This record gives sequence, C-alpha cells and structure tokens, in this order.
Amino acid sequence: DQQVKQNSPSLSVQEGRISILNCDYTNSMFDYFLWYKKYPAEGPTFLISISSIKDKNEDGRFTVFLNKSAKHLSLHIVPSQPGDSAVYFCAASATGVTNAGKSTFGDGTTLTVKP
Amino acid sequence: NAGVTQTPKFQVLKTGQSMTLQCAQDMNHNSMYWYRQDPGMGLRLIYYSASEGTTDKGEVPNGYNVSRLNKREFSLRLESAAPSQTSVYFCASSDSGVGTGELFFGEGSRLTVL
Repeated sequence: DQQVKQNSPSLSVQEGRISILNCDYTNSMFDYFLWYKKYPAEGPTFLISISSIKDKNEDGRFTVFLNKSAKHLSLHIVPSQPGDSAVYFCAASATGVTNAGKSTFGDGTTLTVKP
Repeated sequence: NAGVTQTPKFQVLKTGQSMTLQCAQDMNHNSMYWYRQDPGMGLRLIYYSASEGTTDKGEVPNGYNVSRLNKREFSLRLESAAPSQTSVYFCASSDSGVGTGELFFGEGSRLTVL
C-alpha cells in the first residue's frame, strides 16, 4: 500500500517550457509536503515545501500546488533549464514540520530538460 | 562545512558478513536518519534518532541496528548481511521543527551483498 505515488516515472520537456511533476497521496493525515531533487551519485537536496494550510508556495522558478480534496500536489518549474534534469521525489509528513524528517517518499520522477 | 559525511562510499560484502556504515554531521542538528533506496524506488526510513541518546525504528528496520554515538554521529550496522540488503544507503540530519524541517543528506553508500 503505497501512500505517496508519483505515477510518471519520467518526463521530458524542452528548455524554456514548463515542467509539471505530479504526486498523489492516500493518507489523509499527511499535513506537510516536501520536494527533493537528486542528481546521480549525490544525495537528495531539498527544493520546496508546503503546509496543508496553504494551497500554493512559490520560490523563484519553483511553485508547488496542493489540492487537499483531491489529495494531489504538483511541482511546476518555469522556465525549465537543462540543469533541472534530475530525479524529483515527493515526500509527505503526518506530523507537520516537527517530524518532516520521517517523511514517506514517492518513487520519484526523472525529469529530462532538452536544450 | 562538510554537511553530512558517510563512509564508506562503496562496499561489497558476502552473505553473512557484518559491517557498519558511519555517518557524521557538522550542522549541530538534533535529529539523524538512515534511509535506503532500491532501484526505481523512493527512500525508505530504516531507523532514526530524534535526539542524542534516543533511537527508533522506521519503516524497514529488520536486519539493522543503529547507534547514536553522540550528537554528531549516527552509525548503521548490518550484523549478518543478506542479498536483500543490497541498496544505496543515505544518512541524513535535520533540525526538527525549525524552518522547513528539511533533510540534509549525505552522498550515499552503495552496498552490494553477494
């Protein structure tokens, strides 16, 4: 029973266009969500997060949208750059920021941005 | 700052052998974690330590033990390695409840059990 699902294993977009990565969750207790980015042979790095009291959070080119009723969140990258090519993990916490380190992770989506 | 440092980066073991993965962080974080990542899958929590002197099981603790040696160091031990433990292991730390609560990860340790 996978509680956090990233149904698209891969996504390819052209440089300058928008990348949209999706994540669905089943546990209604999740109240805090994070996105991590991972390059090959490196550890994941934090990208952006959102609390369940919000429906949008923006940081530069990255925006995360949360639809609680649909148990769905998405990460938008605009404009996409070749350096954004990486694996993106969605993660969810049922105890807010306090225990965000114990998040449940999705399987990841590999984003390829073509020049 | 080095952040989170893991050793070794690569290790090959035979079934039944034991080994310890070492992890140290220099960010003065209270919480530390061990995750594993199998091919095509997300990260799964093995054990975590919310603060110095405490450890707790995560999602997949069987076959592992941990020690929070001090605030900086958190080790993961495989007592009798099995092929199912072939994976990439990530140590992470966080300043729980502060800011975004994000995890800071090490570069990973790739373990192969034959």
